[in-house]
Amino acid sequence: DVKVTQSSRYLVKRTGEKVFLECVQDMDHENMFWYRQDPGLGLRLIYFSYDVKMKEKGDIPEGYSVSREKKERFSLILESASTNQTSMYLCASRKSTYEQYFGPGTRLTVT
Amino acid sequence: GEDVEQSLFLSVREGDSSVINCTYTDSSSTYLYWYKQEPGAGLQLLTYIFSNMDMKQDQRLTVLLNKKDKHLSLRIADTQTGDSAIYFCAETLYTGGFKTIFGAGTRLFVKA
Repeated sequence: DVKVTQSSRYLVKRTGEKVFLECVQDMDHENMFWYRQDPGLGLRLIYFSYDVKMKEKGDIPEGYSVSREKKERFSLILESASTNQTSMYLCASRKSTYEQYFGPGTRLTVT
Repeated sequence: GEDVEQSLFLSVREGDSSVINCTYTDSSSTYLYWYKQEPGAGLQLLTYIFSNMDMKQDQRLTVLLNKKDKHLSLRIADTQTGDSAIYFCAETLYTGGFKTIFGAGTRLFVKA
């Protein structure tokens, strides 16, 4: 059974803190994605990676960075968390051209 | 530009059919999808349709694609309370690489 796991389901951080969100997939997929999900806005792509050490900006990369040192792991980094980054963060991976497999999400609150 | 639009809410009675609609703007779509998100969970692929198809049926689910109007719909027959969730329409485009664009999601309420 395919699996995408995210390090935390819920996270509360203070403004200005550095935040790491981890995502691991066990399907040997080349492509991995980070989205944020906000009510009424759907999913917006932050960053994606199509191979180890490769990364591409999505639609809303400002305030975020990513790291892909190993094929199975894709990390999202908030260098200095701000309240407008309070959101649900979803990681996904994909091998073929269509189906993306999603993790359960991390609900991040920045106070 | 690239955009996928869908209504935000739909309420139906248990046993009725639900129809969730979606429109998209880019005619270069290769695949179109419906994902389901249950409370507290990530998205799960429900069904997909290739852009050269008009219809796909899978048990209680029927997907209709009108390429001329750029309209996609998902019909759920005999809707059950377990179908209550958010349903996302999405399309994959080829723009030098494959890019998937999601709609805002339709929250389906099923009344017993």
